[in-house]
Amino acid sequence: GAVVSQHPSWVICKSGTSVKIECRSLDFQATTMFWYRQFPKQSLMLMATSNEGSKATYEQGVEKDKFLINHASLTLSTLTVTSAHPEDSSFYICSASLPFNLAGGVFDVYEQYFGPGTRLTVT
Amino acid sequence: DAKTTQPTSMDCAEGRAANLPCNHSTISGNEYVYWYRQIHSQGPQYIIHGLKNNETNEMASLIITEDRKSSTLILPHATLRDTAVYYCIDSYGKLTFGQGTILTVHP
Repeated sequence: GAVVSQHPSWVICKSGTSVKIECRSLDFQATTMFWYRQFPKQSLMLMATSNEGSKATYEQGVEKDKFLINHASLTLSTLTVTSAHPEDSSFYICSASLPFNLAGGVFDVYEQYFGPGTRLTVT
Repeated sequence: DAKTTQPTSMDCAEGRAANLPCNHSTISGNEYVYWYRQIHSQGPQYIIHGLKNNETNEMASLIITEDRKSSTLILPHATLRDTAVYYCIDSYGKLTFGQGTILTVHP
């Protein structure tokens, strides 16, 4: 269980064009999805947190008008890189979290399950 | 910035236990300790998490010190497929990845 898919797995696009990446939770409903970016030999950097039906929350330094996030359902979030430039070339990874469990009046922590990633190359 | 400290790299012989340490001395009371790993060019994989008690699942064991300032992830019988970057994260919700520990399992 807890499988997350991403599409496409890799994409090459020309500078100035836009690219959409899909993230789906296949066997569970995800209340929250996260988008990360990873440059070569570096760690994952959180870009934004996305809750179904509401606007995404972006991390400091991430341009919300450039990286458009839509979380239209509990199983699908999309990241659109608009007007892509070569410096946007990176490995983009999404994750989806299981719903909170309410136990004894205390919210339990939720685990994040990651997609396989999308490698974007902008030429 | 990540709030945990891990060794940059570790080696382990196949079939032996791999013990990966993590220091999280600034962890707050409601923050859990999470362990994830990332095999090259793949998305991270959840391993285990805990609050203050030791935890065990089919993948690993997590030993958390009584003061919660450090923990150890134990892979009881490491295999070549366990070669990966292992991330220790203290968090309630949002995950902040540090540089992790590169674990190399040798034949």
